Amino acid sequence: KAGVTQTPRYLIKTRGQQVTLSCSPISGHRSVSWYQQTPGQGLQFLFEYFSETQRNKGNFPGRFSGRQFSNSRSEMNVSTLELGDSALYLCASSMGGALDTQYFGPGTRLTVL
Amino acid sequence: ELKVEQNPLFLSMQEGKNYTIYCNYSTTSDRLYWYRQDPGKSLESLFVLLSNGAVKQEGRLMASLDTKARLSTLHITAAVHDLSATYFCAVDISSSNYQLIWGAGTKLIIKP
Repeated sequence: KAGVTQTPRYLIKTRGQQVTLSCSPISGHRSVSWYQQTPGQGLQFLFEYFSETQRNKGNFPGRFSGRQFSNSRSEMNVSTLELGDSALYLCASSMGGALDTQYFGPGTRLTVL
Repeated sequence: ELKVEQNPLFLSMQEGKNYTIYCNYSTTSDRLYWYRQDPGKSLESLFVLLSNGAVKQEGRLMASLDTKARLSTLHITAAVHDLSATYFCAVDISSSNYQLIWGAGTKLIIKP
């Protein structure tokens, strides 16, 4: 089975721009979660989607948004980029049950200049 | 405030030694996860602990959960170099869905 894939793997943007990151979950997985990883803040939960609906949301500003498509693929959008948005963005997929193991993608490294 | 605290944050040890990583959390939870991250790579699930007293073992790693003390431990037995990685614990604070709060991670370096 193919693993979780994320595109692009690396991205450089400037302040004020917006960015869209993509995540393709493992086939059959209906839940996709997004995380931000930084050296200072560690891993922080952004949001989780299940069957095209956002089920959970972390404490991030409204500039961070996401969506999930009918094929379970998910996108995350960050508008009006700030320097502090530089991070590794990870997505993880699972079947969708609360007790399921999450499988992480390789991440997208976003650098904001 | 919801907190998940790991200690130590950094650990350098010799091969063959035993050591324990601790994960304390500040809120009620019945689900705790341990993940491993190799440098430059993504996270890999190690253990899911679902109830008080749960113990799981895989090779030289053993994890346990004490929900009353809000404490989980990850014990490494006779460490080998291949176990060098950063280990994260995460606590699920929701009752039915994923809403994980993560520890800062413990960077483990095992020297030959």
